[in-house]
Amino acid sequence: RKEVEQDPGPFNVPEGATVAFNCTYSNSASQSFFWYRQDCRKEPKLLMSVYSSGNEDGRFTAQLNRASQYISLLIRDSKLSDSATYLCVVTSSNSGYALNFGKGTSLLVTP
Amino acid sequence: GAVVSQHPSRVICKSGTSVKIECRSLDFQATTMFWYRQFPKKSLMLMATSNEGSKATYEQGVEKDKFLINHASLTLSTLTVTSAHPEDSSFYICSAGRGNTIYFGEGSWLTVV
Repeated sequence: RKEVEQDPGPFNVPEGATVAFNCTYSNSASQSFFWYRQDCRKEPKLLMSVYSSGNEDGRFTAQLNRASQYISLLIRDSKLSDSATYLCVVTSSNSGYALNFGKGTSLLVTP
Repeated sequence: GAVVSQHPSRVICKSGTSVKIECRSLDFQATTMFWYRQFPKKSLMLMATSNEGSKATYEQGVEKDKFLINHASLTLSTLTVTSAHPEDSSFYICSAGRGNTIYFGEGSWLTVV
């Protein structure tokens, strides 16, 4: 079983739609959680960290449920520029700066 | 500007040859750097942790004799793919951490023909 699992999609949504991605992780000792964005053939870029209390950054909301080992990302009012692959990332207390990536969920926002 | 720089961004090599990829931290010192590999439509997978002044730590299933890592200075780690085969064609990317931030290189696309 993979440590970080995501639905690969693709998710095809119209502009303005709200879309949600889910991610589950298997290691209960996981300590930090992130969502990264990766554009085609580019390096991943940090979108936001995920906290137990949940956090919001503009149109993006991330939530963490430690009991269910589940992370979510909600994108409201989707823009064409949101089209990318969204990577769920988990780290453990002893992993330092090493990241454990999910396979990614592909999003395509259409006009 | 880039904080971690990777070179080359793209390389094509013949099967059986070796290819070196460099990862540099531009304005900070990194005692550890990380090398990842990403096959098409697959996740980024950690290959190894590069440790300055000591041997790299390889993840399970990664051949240390095939993927040579050298971290000779606090700002440079190199990954050499030895005796490359077409199945080694992939996106290789490095990262380094500073404080609470992780910086990625731009990545290197390797095609082995």
